[in-house]
Amino acid sequence: EAQVTQNPRYLITVTGKKLTVTCSQNMNHEYMSWYRQDPGLGLRQIYYSMNVEVTDKGDVPEGYKVSRKEKRNFPLILESPSPNQTSLYFCASSWTADSPLHFGNGTRLTVT
Amino acid sequence: KQEVTQIPAALSVPEGENLVLNCSFTDSAIYNLQWFRQDPGKGLTSLLLIQSSQREQTSGRLNASLDKSSGRSTLYIAASQPGDSATYLCAFPPADRGSTLGRLYFGRGTQLTVWP
Repeated sequence: EAQVTQNPRYLITVTGKKLTVTCSQNMNHEYMSWYRQDPGLGLRQIYYSMNVEVTDKGDVPEGYKVSRKEKRNFPLILESPSPNQTSLYFCASSWTADSPLHFGNGTRLTVT
Repeated sequence: KQEVTQIPAALSVPEGENLVLNCSFTDSAIYNLQWFRQDPGKGLTSLLLIQSSQREQTSGRLNASLDKSSGRSTLYIAASQPGDSATYLCAFPPADRGSTLGRLYFGRGTQLTVWP
């Protein structure tokens, strides 16, 4: 089944403890991206990647890192999480920049 | 930067009604526009994608149109059903595609409730 898989679905952590949210897609898509969704602010893009080793910042990249070493994986790294990074995170992928976007089911992160 | 507005923010209607959801944008140099559906606690599902050269796309009871000159896209839902209850979002890339392939701007969505 074609899908975008994020792990974990739920994560509670403490301020400053490094964490990684994984994202994997099995559709051989070129484009991958990360979003956060917050009440009243909607969906905002964090980082996106056009291909292996090619990434760029979205609207809210501060406090996040990404890497694209393999086509199928696009992990989101929070080196030193803070409470303002508590949010619902989504990974997405697509064939091209103009193709329908496929989303994962989300990761709900709480930083205390 | 593009400004995206979705009106109304929430809509509650009885089953069977025909609905129109709106997505407005400020820059008419738009390459394409996608409509998504989001169920509570779930990811987004792409419903329709309209390229700038198209005026509309249809899928089942859904029809999306794009009018670049007026800066608006509409999602028409025919004969609404309780199963259509969800949040509907629009999204599109920035006009300056050159170095921003993969960027997307999202509207805040319209929360739709269809009651039996």
